[in-house]
Amino acid sequence: SQTIHQWPATLVQPVGSPLSLECTVEGTSNPNLYWYRQAAGRGLQLLFYSVGIGQISSEVPQNLSASRPQDRQFILSSKKLLLSDSGFYLCAWSRPGTGRWGGYTFGSGTRLTVV
Amino acid sequence: TQLLEQSPQFLSIQEGENLTVYCNSSSVFSSLQWYRQEPGEGPVLLVTVVTGGEVKKLKRLTFQFGDARKDSSLHITAAQPGDTGLYLCAGAGSGGSNYKLTFGKGTLLTVNP
Repeated sequence: SQTIHQWPATLVQPVGSPLSLECTVEGTSNPNLYWYRQAAGRGLQLLFYSVGIGQISSEVPQNLSASRPQDRQFILSSKKLLLSDSGFYLCAWSRPGTGRWGGYTFGSGTRLTVV
Repeated sequence: TQLLEQSPQFLSIQEGENLTVYCNSSSVFSSLQWYRQEPGEGPVLLVTVVTGGEVKKLKRLTFQFGDARKDSSLHITAAQPGDTGLYLCAGAGSGGSNYKLTFGKGTLLTVNP
């Protein structure tokens, strides 16, 4: 069976500090991977998605970047955090080739508070 | 940009009542998905509807995709406290990027015992 791991669960970081959130998927190959941010427990905003190693697409300009160094590893980073980067970050994967039928499986999220 | 509007934003009902939440857009989607999210957790997929006019049932939950594939509804019969959560709809685009989902802002449902 497929599983998705996301860590850490919570993080409190000072303004200007770096950030690294990691997400790994097990039990599948070449998944589509996604990073979303959710503000105040409401709608999800797509930040980055990847359809393969080294292939990253950004949806919104921001203070964050993403990398996919291995097939099932997706990393969200920042060199200097801003207060506005606070939020609930969710990693998700979907099965490639399933197109519009492909549902997402989400990780359990990281609650980031920038102070 | 494809936008999905969900209504109502908040809904508080008593156990045993029926309810319907809506997901509307001016854009056509190739599919519509519904997720439920509990506090501090990631959303969990409930259903995917693909064909205009399609109706799917999941126990006490009934999902419908509009004929024009621009809207969807979720109806819950005899709501229970375990149904409490944030209900999110998400639309898939068309063409080569149909794996990308656009999410609505959600309906926060509270079912009181």
